Amino acid sequence: GDSVTQMEGPVTLSEEAFLTINCTYTATGYPSLFWYVQYPGEGLQLLLKATKADDKGSNKGFEATYRKETTSFHLEKGSVQVSDSAVYFCALSGGAGSYQLTFGKGTKLSVIP
Amino acid sequence: DTGVSQDPRHKITKRGQNVTFRCDPISEHNRLYWYRQTLGQGPEFLTYFQNEAQLEKSRLLSDRFSAERPKGSFSTLEIQRTEQGDSAMYLCASTDRGSYNEQFFGPGTRLTVL
Repeated sequence: GDSVTQMEGPVTLSEEAFLTINCTYTATGYPSLFWYVQYPGEGLQLLLKATKADDKGSNKGFEATYRKETTSFHLEKGSVQVSDSAVYFCALSGGAGSYQLTFGKGTKLSVIP
Repeated sequence: DTGVSQDPRHKITKRGQNVTFRCDPISEHNRLYWYRQTLGQGPEFLTYFQNEAQLEKSRLLSDRFSAERPKGSFSTLEIQRTEQGDSAMYLCASTDRGSYNEQFFGPGTRLTVL
């Protein structure tokens, strides 16, 4: 079945550092890929998405590129802020005609001033 | 703009009791999903509705769980004879047909079974 593997956390970075959170997936067909973010005390929010190979999703300075050849969708940001502290989830949908999201376990990011 | 809402936000119950949660999706979203999230894990799919039809159920959804969406609008998730292992955050999400399955999540209902 479909699965998502993302790097284990927690990740602690200083403000303005470069962020990479690795995500790889296993799916049949052509899934859509997503990054969701969960800020402390809040619900899941969609951060960015990509629906086909080589698409780049971007939002709030975060980027991720859909790499079919390496089945990856790594999240990057050039300069993190304290306000980026949250849990980040990689997810996929529709790999085999199904509609539900399959999530990774999440990576907790803490950014210190 | 009202997002997905869930009620209650928190529920504490004793083992063996029945509980029911409600989800109100974004209006005109025809697809509604239920997920369960335990501490340190990502959400796991439970079930999915398109309008009032329940189209898919996970093997996680034991026969103690039942979900309905009677008029294709709000949905309820009932857990009968709760067990301590049912303690989790229950999330609801909705989506519009034409959005590449971009799902919008509610704040969740945190269930604690004592």
